[in-house]
Amino acid sequence: QVQLQESGPGLVKPSETLSLTCTVSGGSVSSGSYYWSWIRQPPGKGLEWIGYIYYSGSTNYNPSLKSRVTISVDTSKNQFSLKLSSVTAADTAVYYCARGLFTIFGVVRGYYFDYWGQGTLVTVSS
Amino acid sequence: QSVLTQPPSASGTPGQRVTISCSGSSSNIGSNYVYWYQQLPGTAPKLLIYRNNQRPSGVPDRFSGSKSGTSASLAISGLRSEDEADYYCAAWDDSLSGPPYVFGTGTKVTVL
Repeated sequence: QVQLQESGPGLVKPSETLSLTCTVSGGSVSSGSYYWSWIRQPPGKGLEWIGYIYYSGSTNYNPSLKSRVTISVDTSKNQFSLKLSSVTAADTAVYYCARGLFTIFGVVRGYYFDYWGQGTLVTVSS
Repeated sequence: QSVLTQPPSASGTPGQRVTISCSGSSSNIGSNYVYWYQQLPGTAPKLLIYRNNQRPSGVPDRFSGSKSGTSASLAISGLRSEDEADYYCAAWDDSLSGPPYVFGTGTKVTVL
């Protein structure tokens, strides 16, 4: 059974960098089948895709966050990480890590998450 | 930022059928597969429907998905109290002007 677990500070000061790590068990981040992803959800609001990393290191980010986001992978620890710089109160959210899969049938593409972490609340406040 | 529009709420009594719509565009729902997630209170989302209308193992057949053009729907038949949750549609988006992956605005289902 694949499990994902987020870890990191629950409180970050404005203008600083938010750093979270997702530890994967029961599966390998080195698998070529998956795209290791981050999604966030502000309190009482909907889901926002942040981005993903492939085991090779290639990434894809939400353009609205691209200038501030870095996702990296550490295959030796079976972890992947999120860094979000210059945070403001608008970045306060529950942050989820998830395992993403692509399916392509002709020109039709699908991308979805089959396993999620439990989520961790990060509050941006001084 | 959501480009997939859902009604904010839906409700029904136990045993009823509830339908949730998800409206998109030619660059997302019109071109690619639609997925649905169920988020129970205080928990992470769970995949409910994949590739427009397929159910993962363990998801009751009371849940069904469909897609037509640039819209999709999730139907819950035989509504049960444990179905009270938030539901989100999602799709890959081929537009270069926004994020490549978009979620719907979310629909809160209440069992009366």
